[in-house]
Amino acid sequence: GQQLNQSPQSMFIQEGEDVSMNCTSSSIFNTWLWYKQDPGEGPVLLIALYKAGELTSNGRLTAQFGITRKDSFLNISASIPSDVGIYFCAGRGAETSYDKVIFGPGTSLSVIP
Amino acid sequence: DSGVTQTPKHLITATGQRVTLRCSPRSGDLSVYWYQQSLDQGLQFLIQYYNGEERAKGNILERFSAQQFPDLHSELNLSSLELGDSALYFCASSVADNYGYTFGSGTRLTVV
Repeated sequence: GQQLNQSPQSMFIQEGEDVSMNCTSSSIFNTWLWYKQDPGEGPVLLIALYKAGELTSNGRLTAQFGITRKDSFLNISASIPSDVGIYFCAGRGAETSYDKVIFGPGTSLSVIP
Repeated sequence: DSGVTQTPKHLITATGQRVTLRCSPRSGDLSVYWYQQSLDQGLQFLIQYYNGEERAKGNILERFSAQQFPDLHSELNLSSLELGDSALYFCASSVADNYGYTFGSGTRLTVV
């Protein structure tokens, strides 16, 4: 079935550094979503992408929908301590309009002050 | 507050028992989704309802069932519980299929 891979699995960065993480699949997706989850909380939607090639920003976050529709990346600029958490990519497949959203395994981000 | 309400927040129960998790979607959202999150499995899609009807099914066990009521709230029923069912159960809602989901804060189920 459809599966998403995220890399890196975890990262430790210094406060102020930029962060880049990506999400790949062997399947084509119609929608890419990026979520952040804090401990003990539900995932919070950061950015939604609906068209191949689309580049969308939300404050210090920028995400792109890959041209092949099989990948997406998320960049965080000038990281701060509150960026700590698990970042999930999620995608909705291209097979039917009712396709469920599947989630990647997550990238755990730690920011060292 | 995301607008999606899940109750209870925590649940501890014994193996073999049955529990019901409840979700109230964000106002105006017609779709409700249930996900299971365990440490080694990530977020696993269980089932989706749209305006009272089952829309999509994921890796939901036969011991689990769900429904969405006319007021759009949803319940996830877990029966014959096993230790491996211990996990965070999230409900999410959306206006329609092609929008991002809004998640609730989850129900942590511990089966002992």
